Amino acid sequence: QKEVEQNSGPLSVPEGAIASLNCTYSDRGSQSFFWYRQYSGKSPELIMFIYSNGDKEDGRFTAQLNKASQYVSLLIRDSQPSDSATYLCAVKGQTSGTYKYIFGTGTRLKVLA
Amino acid sequence: DAMVIQNPRYQVTQFGKPVTLSCSQTLNHNVMYWYQQKSSQAPKLLFHYYDKDFNNEADTPDNFQSRRPNTSFCFLDIRSPGLGDAAMYLCATSREQGGVVGYTFGSGTRLTVV
Repeated sequence: QKEVEQNSGPLSVPEGAIASLNCTYSDRGSQSFFWYRQYSGKSPELIMFIYSNGDKEDGRFTAQLNKASQYVSLLIRDSQPSDSATYLCAVKGQTSGTYKYIFGTGTRLKVLA
Repeated sequence: DAMVIQNPRYQVTQFGKPVTLSCSQTLNHNVMYWYQQKSSQAPKLLFHYYDKDFNNEADTPDNFQSRRPNTSFCFLDIRSPGLGDAAMYLCATSREQGGVVGYTFGSGTRLTVV
């Protein structure tokens, strides 16, 4: 089982719709959860991070965390063509005093104009 | 603007010819990381420095080495590049280990091996 799993997509949504991106993780001791956006050929850019169960909103983005079910999601409201990118989920945990920061393979989002 | 800068953006090297990629930061972050990312794959951590302490990942090939001469600079040396080493190499920084508020990435260096 992969430590951090994401559906590779592509996830296609029409402009203005809500895009929902999901991520599951295997380490129940994971502490922090991050969403990065990566445009093709570019480096990842941090969008949001979340530590506590529930929702965290920042502009058009909402991160949702459910530790009991071991999933974290990212909602993008009013999706724009400029949101088309790969979204990487990253999970941070600590094992034997060492921090582990694991990326998923990403979900490719396509917002159709 | 404070940032993470990687040079060069694109690097072409010959099979077996040593190559060095560089990363500099003006964020004064304690931790610097090197990731390898191949097409449609997750970034894979090669190693990181916490201040001057070097931390190598267990599965990082011996072909890959790193140097951090000071807080601002970190280098990735590939001693004998093979075709399988062609990838995007990402440098990232964080103020503390584990990146409580996430990492700041440089723009990456795309390495081609011919």
